Amino acid sequence: EDQVTQSPEALRLQEGESSSLNCSYTVSGLRGLFWYRQDPGKGPEFLFTLYSAGEEKEKERLKATLTKKESFLHITAPKPEDSATYLCAVNTGGFKTIFGAGTRLFVKA
Amino acid sequence: ETGVTQTPRHLVMGMTNKKSLKCEQHLGHNAMYWYKQSAKKPLELMFVYSLEERVENNSVPSRFSPECPNSSHLFLHLHTLQPEDSALYLCASTDDRFSNYGYTFGSGTRLTVV
Repeated sequence: EDQVTQSPEALRLQEGESSSLNCSYTVSGLRGLFWYRQDPGKGPEFLFTLYSAGEEKEKERLKATLTKKESFLHITAPKPEDSATYLCAVNTGGFKTIFGAGTRLFVKA
Repeated sequence: ETGVTQTPRHLVMGMTNKKSLKCEQHLGHNAMYWYKQSAKKPLELMFVYSLEERVENNSVPSRFSPECPNSSHLFLHLHTLQPEDSALYLCASTDDRFSNYGYTFGSGTRLTVV
């Protein structure tokens, strides 16, 4: 059965304390892996798409990487405004996209 | 604004009520989706409408009924819901079956069934 698992469930950081969020997946075929950010009371907002192992993408303090079994979202020197829930999703073809349960990130000033 | 607009933002309904959620997009996308988001659970796909087909999750109860009158509008009709149906209902759109830019989501409707 296709599965996407995110860890940790919640992460508390001090401002400036770099860390990583994990998304591990077991799927029959990877068409693309997506990262989203979701703020309270809002829908998820697209961040990155990764297609193959070894690929990396960056946006401001965020960097996403992909291996054959997992993806990491690295957050460098986070700020309080980076606090949000980060969602990982894997598309295996067509309309089939499987989401993880998310990691809630709290960054304290 | 994300380009996908959902109304209402909040809805409280009794188990015997009938209500509808509305979603509208003017991005020129040709696929629209309903997702259910419950606390600490992954997003659950309920329905997909595209130019070619309608796809539904067979585990979605019949008390949820989608309608897609055109490529810009999507409705979710609700009737005789249960308290466990309380959740955030998200509408999303894409420009194709697989989009390099993922989904564009609305802000959701927070539904509470009492």
